[in-house]
Amino acid sequence: AQSVTQPDIHITVSEGASLELRCNYSYGATPYLFWYVQSPGQGLQLLLKYFSGDTLVQGIKGFEAEFKRSQSSFNLRKPSVHWSDAAEYFCAVARWTGTASKLTFGTGTRLQVTL
Amino acid sequence: ETGVTQTPRHLVMGMTNKKSLKCEQHLGHNAMYWYKQSAKKPLELMFVYSLEERVENNSVPSRFSPECPNSSHLFLHLHTLQPEDSALYLCASSQDRDRETQYFGPGTRLLVL
Repeated sequence: AQSVTQPDIHITVSEGASLELRCNYSYGATPYLFWYVQSPGQGLQLLLKYFSGDTLVQGIKGFEAEFKRSQSSFNLRKPSVHWSDAAEYFCAVARWTGTASKLTFGTGTRLQVTL
Repeated sequence: ETGVTQTPRHLVMGMTNKKSLKCEQHLGHNAMYWYKQSAKKPLELMFVYSLEERVENNSVPSRFSPECPNSSHLFLHLHTLQPEDSALYLCASSQDRDRETQYFGPGTRLLVL
């Protein structure tokens, strides 16, 4: 069965500092990986996704993520964080069941940005 | 309206009430999903509909009853809920093919008293 681990429940960074959010997955085949962001009281917005090809993927809002098969990781990065990036971030892995795409999410990392 | 919309955004109900959550997608997708998001727990997939047919039912109690009348609309009918059912209920949609991304609505915040 697939699973996702986000080891950091809560991270605080200063505005302008770099950010890395960790994600480890467990999946038997080539994974389809996603990062979503959720602002308070809102739904999930897709930041980026990895299906195949270049292991460094670019997303919206200046985020990027790198797929490392050897480490079973898909860490999210941003070189310079803005106060508006404060939110909860979810990593997810998808599996195609033949009839539907089934997402398994991590427990999320809450990002706080200090000014 | 664009994307995935959900109504109502907030709902308070007693344990004996019957209410329904509505989701509508304006993306031309043909698969729709209900998720439950509780505090300090991962998002839980509840139901999946593909081409208006239920293809996943993840051991959800019968007090939750989904309905998908067409590919654009998804309902979650609620009856005799428990306080532990209080959560954010998220709807998502995707095009029903491999490697397709799910797009989420803003959710309905449900409080059961």
